[in-house]
Amino acid sequence: AQRVTQPEKLLSVFKGAPVELKCNYSYSGSPELFWYVQYSRQRLQLLLRHISRESIKGFTADLNKGETSFHLKKPFAQEEDSAMYYCALSSNTGKLIFGQGTTLQVKP
Amino acid sequence: SAVISQKPSRDICQRGTSLTIQCQVDSQVTMMFWYRQQPGQSLTLIATANQGSEATYESGFVIDKFPISRPNLTFSTLTVSNMSPEDSSIYLCSVEGGQKTNYGYTFGSGTRLTVV
Repeated sequence: AQRVTQPEKLLSVFKGAPVELKCNYSYSGSPELFWYVQYSRQRLQLLLRHISRESIKGFTADLNKGETSFHLKKPFAQEEDSAMYYCALSSNTGKLIFGQGTTLQVKP
Repeated sequence: SAVISQKPSRDICQRGTSLTIQCQVDSQVTMMFWYRQQPGQSLTLIATANQGSEATYESGFVIDKFPISRPNLTFSTLTVSNMSPEDSSIYLCSVEGGQKTNYGYTFGSGTRLTVV
């Protein structure tokens, strides 16, 4: 079964601390994985796509096929990073399967 | 990347009535997706709308309850029929963003529906 799991509903860190938002997936083929972010009162937007291997707003995510993980990391959290983060998997039919989401709260 | 206009942004409806949500995209797209986000929950795909063919519904969603139209490559509607309070959710449409977004998906701003 295709599934995305984000084990933490809420992650609270202090400004400047490292952040890791966990994501594990279950998929029988070669997955396409994404991280989406939703800031307060804004629409859902793409943060990262695993195939691009970019760093966006200081965030990176590496696909680990052995551990079936796609954790999102940032070495130094900023207050403006506070948002809801969704890990998502794209199936071969083009639809996205979302994890439950993790709220990141960065405290001053 | 594609820009999606979704409306209405919110509505409060009486049970037993229907609401039609519209999504307009500023470029032609093959597939449009409709999602539901129930309170405190993640996004769940309702159906995939292809132009010129019947929408493909996910398990647990049926055409009688969520009829979809896709008259052309830039527009789609989702109707929530015979509403009950359990239908209170945010409904979102989405399209594949194309090369400019590195093939990420673009989302509308959502329709917040409250059924009373």
